[in-house]
Amino acid sequence: GEDVEQSLFLSVREGDSSVINCTYTDSSSTYLYWYKQEPGAGLQLLTYIFSNMDMKQDQRLTVLLNKKDKHLSLRIADTQTGDSAIYFCAERGTGGSYIPTFGRGTSLIVHP
Amino acid sequence: DVKVTQSSRYLVKRTGEKVFLECVQDMDHENMFWYRQDPGLGLRLIYFSYDVKMKEKGDIPEGYSVSREKKERFSLILESASTNQTSMYLCASSLPDSEQFFGPGTRLTVL
Repeated sequence: GEDVEQSLFLSVREGDSSVINCTYTDSSSTYLYWYKQEPGAGLQLLTYIFSNMDMKQDQRLTVLLNKKDKHLSLRIADTQTGDSAIYFCAERGTGGSYIPTFGRGTSLIVHP
Repeated sequence: DVKVTQSSRYLVKRTGEKVFLECVQDMDHENMFWYRQDPGLGLRLIYFSYDVKMKEKGDIPEGYSVSREKKERFSLILESASTNQTSMYLCASSLPDSEQFFGPGTRLTVL
């Protein structure tokens, strides 16, 4: 079945850039998502990218998609302590495959 | 804005009790989902529903049941709670072929 892999932890210094990586196996993936989960809260959709795009930028967030390698990344510029959270990558096909497959989440720790 | 609410943020129950977790969404979404989240395991799908009175098993339905009598409400039922059901439970909803919106979660402890 489909699989989405992420590293479990990432530690960065405040002000640096963070890059969270994700790989997936389903070649029919059409939508790829990044969700953020702050401590004790639900998941919040951060951004998403269609599979026919290579890059999407939204303020401090940059999403890069390498469809050939099935690799997705989320770059956070000028990382702040408020960015400390768990980040989930998810992929979804279209039509009947409306249930996304989630990675296990990457815990981003931002230290001063 | 889409709003997904869950009946409790924290719940403590005893082994063997029947537990109801309620989820309500206010955006007329057809699809609703229940996940549990455990450290290192990510999100695991318990049940989902794509219409009123319709339900489908997810990856880990054992020990759980669901009810969807109204479009906006999706209930997760633990018939006889056990300690291995201690977890964070997340509800989500979506339109067909669209992204999911999540509730704040219910942290359930079974003693």
